[in-house]
Amino acid sequence: GDSVTQMEGPVTLSEEAFLTINCTYTATGYPSLFWYVQYPGEGLQLLLKATKADDKGSNKGFEATYRKETTSFHLEKGSVQVSDSAVYFCALRLNSGGSNYKLTFGKGTLLTVNP
Amino acid sequence: DTAVSQTPKYLVTQMGNDKSIKCEQNLGHDTMYWYKQDSKKFLKIMFSYNNKELIINETVPNRFSPKSPDKAHLNLHINSLELGDSAVYFCASSQELVNTEAFFGQGTRLTVV
Repeated sequence: GDSVTQMEGPVTLSEEAFLTINCTYTATGYPSLFWYVQYPGEGLQLLLKATKADDKGSNKGFEATYRKETTSFHLEKGSVQVSDSAVYFCALRLNSGGSNYKLTFGKGTLLTVNP
Repeated sequence: DTAVSQTPKYLVTQMGNDKSIKCEQNLGHDTMYWYKQDSKKFLKIMFSYNNKELIINETVPNRFSPKSPDKAHLNLHINSLELGDSAVYFCASSQELVNTEAFFGQGTRLTVV
């Protein structure tokens, strides 16, 4: 079945450090890919998305590129801030029958940024 | 204006009770979902509806029964609550197109004691 694998957390960085959170996927077709962020006590918010190979999604200094050849969608940010501390989820949505009607999530990566 | 709203935000109840969580979206979306987030933050789809029709039921116990009275609402009723039902439940909605994202509610933290 479809699945998403994210790097295990937690990840702890100092402010202004470079961030990478790895995400790879397994899918029987060509999914759309998403990164969501969950701040403490809140729901999930879309951070960025890419819907076809080689697309780059970007938002708030974060970016991720849809790599079909490596089935990856790694999240990066050049300089993290304390306010980026949150749980980050990679997800896919697949145009294949019932799979169209769900997002499949990775297990989430907790990021803590220290001042 | 909240796009996806669910109530209540917190729910504490005793084992064996029956409870409901309500969800409404004002985005005009055709598809709505219920997700369960466990204590390790893992998110798992429970149900999805499209135009009030049940599309996905991911091996959820029969004690959980979703109801969609119209496209804008998807409620979750849980019978005979068990300790293991304690989790955060998220409602979400999206357009039917696969390249569109889902919008999530703020979650309902259910604690069964």
